[in-house]
Amino acid sequence: NAGVTQTPKFQVLKTGQSMTLQCAQDMNHEYMSWYRQDPGMGLRLIHYSVGAGITDQGEVPNGYNVSRSTTEDFPLRLLSAAPSQTSVYFCASTLLGTGSPLHFGNGTRLTVT
Amino acid sequence: AQTVTQSQPEMSVQEAETVTLSCTYDTSESDYYLFWYKQPPSRQMILVIRQEAYKQQNATENRFSVNFQKAAKSFSLKISDSQLGDAAMYFCAYRSTDGGATNKLIFGTGTLLAVQP
Repeated sequence: NAGVTQTPKFQVLKTGQSMTLQCAQDMNHEYMSWYRQDPGMGLRLIHYSVGAGITDQGEVPNGYNVSRSTTEDFPLRLLSAAPSQTSVYFCASTLLGTGSPLHFGNGTRLTVT
Repeated sequence: AQTVTQSQPEMSVQEAETVTLSCTYDTSESDYYLFWYKQPPSRQMILVIRQEAYKQQNATENRFSVNFQKAAKSFSLKISDSQLGDAAMYFCAYRSTDGGATNKLIFGTGTLLAVQP
């Protein structure tokens, strides 16, 4: 059981470039989400989804797009990277409405120069 | 809106000793979940312990236990017999039970725990 798989682990972008962070889970979780982690700020929610075709904004959505075409996948897109998006990104998933904890991927360290 | 506060940015403990990490939160809800996550240098987020607000009994997982004080909105983590492998960043997190529509976790800013041999 792979759990939550994030790729890539590391990425360096130049300002203005675009990229997609991939996230896949094999636990049939309805809920998937993206967080960013910055020093001294904990983890902040970017976007989340409660099922295929349904997405919504979290606390810090600006500069990021998401889509959920299948239950398993929840990619995060940066359309025009900015240095302020330098961060560690985590994908996490869980079952809805059960109080189950979030299962996290191993994170992606993104640097925008 | 709910908030989670961890007032200790860094803590240190001697190996085999006990340490308590503090967490307070603010909410108007009566039912919710609280979590402690551990993040070692590998960056992985590992669930340490989970508490349901409607349960008065404090959760325990081996050497890890919590002191949950609902009226005071306090949720501290106690690590007994500290081991070198306990060195990590620890995050306290809150989750609503609003019908499961969001399931989002609200995190504190973390406490970096060092374990001295």
